[in-house]
Amino acid sequence: KAGVTQTPRYLIKTRGQQVTLSCSPISGHRSVSWYQQTPGQGLQFLFEYFSETQRNKGNFPGRFSGRQFSNSRSEMNVSTLELGDSALYLCASSLEIAGDDEQFFGPGTRLTVL
Amino acid sequence: EDQVTQSPEALRLQEGESSSLNCSYTVSGLRGLFWYRQDPGKGPEFLFTLYSAGEEKEKERLKATLTKKESFLHITAPKPEDSATYLCAVQVGGYQKVTFGIGTKLQVIP
Repeated sequence: KAGVTQTPRYLIKTRGQQVTLSCSPISGHRSVSWYQQTPGQGLQFLFEYFSETQRNKGNFPGRFSGRQFSNSRSEMNVSTLELGDSALYLCASSLEIAGDDEQFFGPGTRLTVL
Repeated sequence: EDQVTQSPEALRLQEGESSSLNCSYTVSGLRGLFWYRQDPGKGPEFLFTLYSAGEEKEKERLKATLTKKESFLHITAPKPEDSATYLCAVQVGGYQKVTFGIGTKLQVIP
């Protein structure tokens, strides 16, 4: 069974640019969550999608957005990049059946903003 | 606001030296507590889910326990390959809104 895949694995952008990251969940998983991981803050929740609807959102500015497609694949977009957006962006998927809530993470996309 | 605190931040053990990692949480309405392992440059790898106080789960040299205020990850006779950052996370209420702790970086020395 294939795991969660994320593309690209590495990105280098400059301030002011925008970026789109992609995530393909485990087959059958309909919940996809996004996290930002930095050394000082740890994993911080960005948002979660289920059946193409955003169900939860973390405390990030509106420059961070996402969407989910009918095949459960998800994208997140960051506009007007800032230096502080440099981080590892992780995607996680979940089957979400009662008693089976664990999330399975992809390898992440390492974003560097110069 | 939901809070998850992990201690210690870093732990160095000799191979075979058992120890415990702590995860204390302040939430209302805990739905589940998760333990993950993360190796450098990789995404977190799921280890355990605990749902109610008194619950225990084991996997190889790892054992996770849960009380009403905290969880422990016990590592028995660790090996160098157990070196990683161990993350604790809590899920409150419904859906997948999960709050993570900063993690404990474990180093096991041969």
